[in-house]
Amino acid sequence: EADIYQTPRYLVIGTGKKITLECSQTMGHDKMYWYQQDPGMELHLIHYSYGVNSTEKGDLSSESTVSRIRTEHFPLTLESARPSHTSQYLCASRPSGSYEQYFGPGTRLTVT
Amino acid sequence: GENVEQHPSTLSVQEGDSAVIKCTYSDSASNYFPWYKQELGKRPQLIIDIRSNVGEKKDQRIAVTLNKTAKHFSLHITETQPEDSAVYFCAPYAAGNKLTFGGGTRVLVKP
Repeated sequence: EADIYQTPRYLVIGTGKKITLECSQTMGHDKMYWYQQDPGMELHLIHYSYGVNSTEKGDLSSESTVSRIRTEHFPLTLESARPSHTSQYLCASRPSGSYEQYFGPGTRLTVT
Repeated sequence: GENVEQHPSTLSVQEGDSAVIKCTYSDSASNYFPWYKQELGKRPQLIIDIRSNVGEKKDQRIAVTLNKTAKHFSLHITETQPEDSAVYFCAPYAAGNKLTFGGGTRVLVKP
């Protein structure tokens, strides 16, 4: 089934650890996005990508990096996790020619 | 960048009543105006959208109206039902391949 997938769904990790949040979509969309959202609150854009080998920083300053080596895959890496990174991370994608974004189920991250 | 404000931040209505949420944006180049609904613990989903060349669009019990001159658009929900309880986000689109989300409106429909 065409969808957007995120793993892990929940993650508890200690301060200073390096983590990678995975996002994959099977819809063939060119554009992909990462958002940070505290539960029920505003979505803040962290990174986005127009296509393979294209990445841009979003509006929210974040100590994270992304890569886009394959169309379907857009992982987010935190080099050194901090308690301030505790939040939900949502991945989204959309096809060229449409503005509608499709969201993944999210990864809820807790940094202790 | 785009500045987006939503009002009210919370809205409590009786089942069967109407609900209206307003979204104000700053970028006059914005040309696409969607509303997303996020139920508790779920992912945001598009429920209705409108392009800049249209003033109003309806889909069953929901509608969106746009006032480009005043730079605001509104979500209207009629005959509210308990399943309409959620957080609603506006997300106007300007240049740059990205949406700018508003702060969200928490809607509670009381039976």
